[in-house]
Amino acid sequence: DIQMTQSPSTLSASVGDRVTITCRASQSISRWLAWYQQKPGRAPNLLIYRASTLESGVPSRFSGSGSGTEFTLTISSLQPDDFATYYCQQYNSSLWTFGQGTKVEI
Amino acid sequence: QVQLVESGGGVVQPGGSLRLSCAASGFSFSSYGMHWVRQAPGKGLEWVAFIRYDGSDKYYAVSVKGRFTISRDNSKNTLYLQVDSLRDEDTAVYYCAKEQHVVFQLWGHGTLVTVSS
Repeated sequence: DIQMTQSPSTLSASVGDRVTITCRASQSISRWLAWYQQKPGRAPNLLIYRASTLESGVPSRFSGSGSGTEFTLTISSLQPDDFATYYCQQYNSSLWTFGQGTKVEI
Repeated sequence: QVQLVESGGGVVQPGGSLRLSCAASGFSFSSYGMHWVRQAPGKGLEWVAFIRYDGSDKYYAVSVKGRFTISRDNSKNTLYLQVDSLRDEDTAVYYCAKEQHVVFQLWGHGTLVTVSS
């Protein structure tokens, strides 16, 4: 199975900061990588799919990049609503796996 | 209104069973693959199972294979997860999710399954 490793596990930041979260796959997944945001007590929300395509309705301050085994999620200017946990997720051979999550906190 | 609403969770003893349901509305349910994803208390997300739009293919995580069964009734716009031989480690919020672009594009609010004696 493909393992997904996110870093860092926790990130302390301030409003207005540029934030980058990294996700590494244990083997190449081409661009089959998505990012989700989850707030406490809520279901996850899709932000980005196919590594860099922004889901409809997601603010443009979110962006994704990468291919193969290394991917990044960038928030260009952190807003108060962005304090949450972020997960990457890969698809390969009819199996889906998530990274362990990155908590973005003040 | 496009939404997914899960139900059927509860407290069950180890070795017990439950059937979770997910009612879909506001979109053409029969056109989309559907997933179950779970999240143990305070932990990350774990994909559980997938069923193709017409029920022709089903895939499971290793951790639940042989114990959980995913199914759907397109005439009722409803997804199911039969969970059998439950273990302590199956305690989690179970979400259903609509697939698009091979990702989880729409999520329900979740239903809590607690395995406890």
